Amino acid sequence: AQKITQTQPGMFVQEKEAVTLDCTYDTSDQSYGLFWYKQPSSGEMIFLIYQGSYDEQNATEGRYSLNFQKARKSANLVISASQLGDSAMYFCAMREGISSGSARQLTFGSGTQLTVLP
Amino acid sequence: DTEVTQTPKHLVMGMTNKKSLKCEQHMGHRAMYWYKQKAKKPPELMFVYSYEKLSINESVPSRFSPECPNSSLLNLHLHALQPEDSALYLCASSQDRLVDHFSGANVLTFGAGSRLTVL
Repeated sequence: AQKITQTQPGMFVQEKEAVTLDCTYDTSDQSYGLFWYKQPSSGEMIFLIYQGSYDEQNATEGRYSLNFQKARKSANLVISASQLGDSAMYFCAMREGISSGSARQLTFGSGTQLTVLP
Repeated sequence: DTEVTQTPKHLVMGMTNKKSLKCEQHMGHRAMYWYKQKAKKPPELMFVYSYEKLSINESVPSRFSPECPNSSLLNLHLHALQPEDSALYLCASSQDRLVDHFSGANVLTFGAGSRLTVL
């Protein structure tokens, strides 16, 4: 079964507008971490933001914020004031806790290709 | 500048060649990873090393042979590859603390990747 689901293969946003990239996840663990990475066409995977399952506040890093809704098992990425340089593939990923036996693995969603329009 | 350095950036090899991909980090991380990524797909885990010992091998064919000579270096030796092995190979590293509460220490830092073409 898919552990991480990203339902938007492609998204377009106007420069300076905000955009939300969706991510839902599935785990029975109480302890897990959720991550967002950006991958430009050059290929490097750039870490953006993370949220721990026990964190009560939504994570923020500059123009990036994570809308964490634990009961809904969603961890959407919000990018405010989009810039042309934000055009890239965005991956949501999850790392489960010790009890899952896969604590070292990072499982990725299928990705969302974001295009920022001038 | 990325803190995980991968060489070479591009590699073209024939099916009978033997080559190696190299990865280096100096962040004191004790877990290192190899991922394979095909175009328009998410990365797929191949191998995980923890404290220089292989801890996860995701049923990768033996034509891929990982090696971790020390805590800073990770190699991927390639031999008798197939054209379908052409992909972007990503190395990553992280702290290896299996704690119940996640912290930033569990973030994986990736290199820029090695783009492999098998002819």
